[in-house]
Amino acid sequence: DTAVSQTPKYLVTQMGNDKSIKCEQNLGHDTMYWYKQDSKKFLKIMFSYNNKELIINETVPNRFSPKSPDKAHLNLHINSLELGDSAVYFCASNQNGQGMGGYTFGSGTRLTVV
Amino acid sequence: DAKTTQPPSMDCAEGRAANLPCNHSTISGNEYVYWYRQIHSQGPQYIIHGLKNNETNEMASLIITEDRKSSTLILPHATLRDTAVYYCIVYAGGTSYGKLTFGQGTILTVHP
Repeated sequence: DTAVSQTPKYLVTQMGNDKSIKCEQNLGHDTMYWYKQDSKKFLKIMFSYNNKELIINETVPNRFSPKSPDKAHLNLHINSLELGDSAVYFCASNQNGQGMGGYTFGSGTRLTVV
Repeated sequence: DAKTTQPPSMDCAEGRAANLPCNHSTISGNEYVYWYRQIHSQGPQYIIHGLKNNETNEMASLIITEDRKSSTLILPHATLRDTAVYYCIVYAGGTSYGKLTFGQGTILTVHP
């Protein structure tokens, strides 16, 4: 069983489109995250949810809107996609909101905007 | 969270120990040292973490100096599958709410 699963794995779309990436974890963790890895391979946190509550919202354009219907799911919706949004997006989860212990990451969604 | 400094790249022969250093001279007393790795095209993988004492698990050992200003991750018998980018992160938890700050890491290449 995959602990943190993301769909889709690859996403190619045109500028201006709206797309969603889904994430699910079956670990019973309380906290979920979205990280972005750009072309220079830097990993940066975007959002964090603890028990469906938004905890961290980094300086991310408001075109990005996370949604957590329950603590096992965290989806990322992106409006009006731009070329600069092309990156690999990783979902992660952690047992508690303090972030202690290890994170479990998904395998990533490679988004390409053309 | 404190910054860390790692060498950009290292090589290791298969079967030998890989020792990856990390400097964290401004670490605070409540900050842990975490190590993650990212194998090409995969998500980061948690390896180990520690506060003061040396730690060992099935993947690696973590040696933290007495002054806690540096640490070394040891892969005792490196294999080709250990080729990855290794990230050293210091993190206190609490109000950071899981905001891990990844640096550039060390690219470890294990060769036959």
